[in-house]
Amino acid sequence: DAGVIQSPRHEVTEMGQEVTLRCKPISGHNSLFWYRQTMMRGLELLIYFNNNVPIDDSGMPEDRFSAKMPNASFSTLKIQPSEPRDSAVYFCASSSATGANYNEQFFGPGTRLTVL
Amino acid sequence: AQRVTQPEKLLSVFKGAPVELKCNYSYSGSPELFWYVQYSRQRLQLLLRHISRESIKGFTADLNKGETSFHLKKPFAQEEDSAMYYCALSGQGGSEKLVFGKGTKLTVNP
Repeated sequence: DAGVIQSPRHEVTEMGQEVTLRCKPISGHNSLFWYRQTMMRGLELLIYFNNNVPIDDSGMPEDRFSAKMPNASFSTLKIQPSEPRDSAVYFCASSSATGANYNEQFFGPGTRLTVL
Repeated sequence: AQRVTQPEKLLSVFKGAPVELKCNYSYSGSPELFWYVQYSRQRLQLLLRHISRESIKGFTADLNKGETSFHLKKPFAQEEDSAMYYCALSGQGGSEKLVFGKGTKLTVNP
């Protein structure tokens, strides 16, 4: 398994543009998490899904952010419109509630977003 | 409310010296505690979790419920231990949500 896959790895865009980040979790994992990492705030949970259903989106900063998980193998995080303060590294992680590694979150490589 | 505090943003030690990365938590029930590590240019990965009681890469961490701490220790630091370390907490009952501390950047000098 290639692990959690995220795309793009880097994204540079201009303020006001729409940004879509993509994530493919590890096959068989039933939970998916979106995090944002900044120097000032560290690693913040934005939203997480369980069996494709959003469970907790209290970390989503504002209405400009939205996330979907149309099926077990794909999720998107969308920012519309983007602002310079959204510049950060966005991580996706997945986990399984069963097995030897239960609740261990496996992280993707992250998407470094720069909004000019 | 669940909270994880890592009081040191930066920690610098010399190779061969003992190292301790501090982590304190706030949680009303019985939490599960984790340490994640992020080496330069690599993805975040699990280092250890308290229920497994394992020593990974020479690191150990003991959950102290009285002091609500889960400090990470290693008796002899190596240069390859230089990384960002995050303490994280998961609630009781198999809650999958993790609350992370802000992280400690460890630098091991030669």
